[in-house]
Amino acid sequence: DQQVKQNSPSLSVQEGRISILNCDYTNSMFDYFLWYKKYPAEGPTFLISISSIKDKNEDGRFTVFLNKSAKHLSLHIVPSQPGDSAVYFCAASALISSGSARQLTFGSGTQLTVLP
Amino acid sequence: IAGITQAPTSQILAAGRRMTLRCTQDMRHNAMYWYRQDLGLGLRLIHYSNTAGTTGKGEVPDGYSVSRANTDDFPLTLASAVPSQTSVYFCATAVAGGQPQHFGDGTRLSIL
Repeated sequence: DQQVKQNSPSLSVQEGRISILNCDYTNSMFDYFLWYKKYPAEGPTFLISISSIKDKNEDGRFTVFLNKSAKHLSLHIVPSQPGDSAVYFCAASALISSGSARQLTFGSGTQLTVLP
Repeated sequence: IAGITQAPTSQILAAGRRMTLRCTQDMRHNAMYWYRQDLGLGLRLIHYSNTAGTTGKGEVPDGYSVSRANTDDFPLTLASAVPSQTSVYFCATAVAGGQPQHFGDGTRLSIL
């Protein structure tokens, strides 16, 4: 039973347009949400995050929206660039019960392709 | 350059063999993690460590062990590899209790 779901395995967008990547979660204990970007043969790279006490966080071309009542978050990329083509993972964070470490629960990823 | 180093980059291993994946960081982060990535499943937590001397089990710990003798190193050991452990393994670090986690470039492991 996946606690974090990315229902779109792939997304294609024209350069300059908006890319919207979606993510749904089920566990109410998640209190922090992150987006990672991954290129082939590399590790995931942190992109942007949002605390559960906020509904929006913006960093340049990237904006993350959180709808707690719907247990839904989305990543908007405006304008999209060919270099944005990568796999994007949504991750939800919760404290691990036995200490201060945090467990990240990942979605299965969305392959974004930005067409020139 | 500060970061996380994983070794080896890739490995083909016969089933039943013992294998240790290495992870070394120079960021002085207290928390370290091991994940595996399988197609269609995202990344799943295997084991973690809050700080040197402590370890804990994640979502998929069976068949794996870890140790944390010091801050910088967090090796992952497969005592007797099985084909279902074929995967890409990522090590990550974070400031204790903090975000985000930073990832190494992974080890691609194939068990035959």
